[in-house]
Amino acid sequence: GQNIDQPTEMTATEGAIVQINCTYQTSGFNGLFWYQQHAGEAPTFLSYNVLDGLEEKGRFSSFLSRSKGYSYLLLKELQMKDSASYLCAVRDGDYKLSFGAGTTVTVRA
Amino acid sequence: GAVVSQHPSRVICKSGTSVKIECRSLDFQATTMFWYRQFPKKSLMLMATSNEGSKATYEQGVEKDKFLINHASLTLSTLTVTSAHPEDSSFFVCSASEAGTDTQYFGPGTRLTVL
Repeated sequence: GQNIDQPTEMTATEGAIVQINCTYQTSGFNGLFWYQQHAGEAPTFLSYNVLDGLEEKGRFSSFLSRSKGYSYLLLKELQMKDSASYLCAVRDGDYKLSFGAGTTVTVRA
Repeated sequence: GAVVSQHPSRVICKSGTSVKIECRSLDFQATTMFWYRQFPKKSLMLMATSNEGSKATYEQGVEKDKFLINHASLTLSTLTVTSAHPEDSSFFVCSASEAGTDTQYFGPGTRLTVL
């Protein structure tokens, strides 16, 4: 089966930086995705990594190390609206997505 | 951008009844749609993959007679929870992907409560 681990909760101050780690063990690998999900809403796509390294997209960056089975999502210049759940998802050898349980980020003023 | 809708957003039903949930891709043709289930503080778990015009492929442990999936057109897939029981209560989320793309776009989810 698939095993994807990420912290349950994180709290940070407005304007700060937060890094959400994700480790995975899957049968096959065809990319890692990060999604943002506000309560009661659809997950929205944030980033996609398939090769090792850092992908930067505005205030959000995502890093992947395939050899270590490790990724992180970096949120910079935190805003109150960034309070949400962040989901790490890995696409396996059958091109199916397996999700972590999500990390709830709370941004305080 | 790609938008996926679900209807209804919330449903409360009595034990023994059946509930149908619709998933629509509003501005693109979805050759593949996925149905997920999520319990509180747990992962989104893939239930089944449906391709337009063919039978859905169910994940191990998912009862196909319990969760009927139909993907009748390139913009609509439905999930019917048959003879629902309280333990079926959870959050159901669909996603859709366009032919030739890697990204799944998610619907807003449907919260099912069975009394």
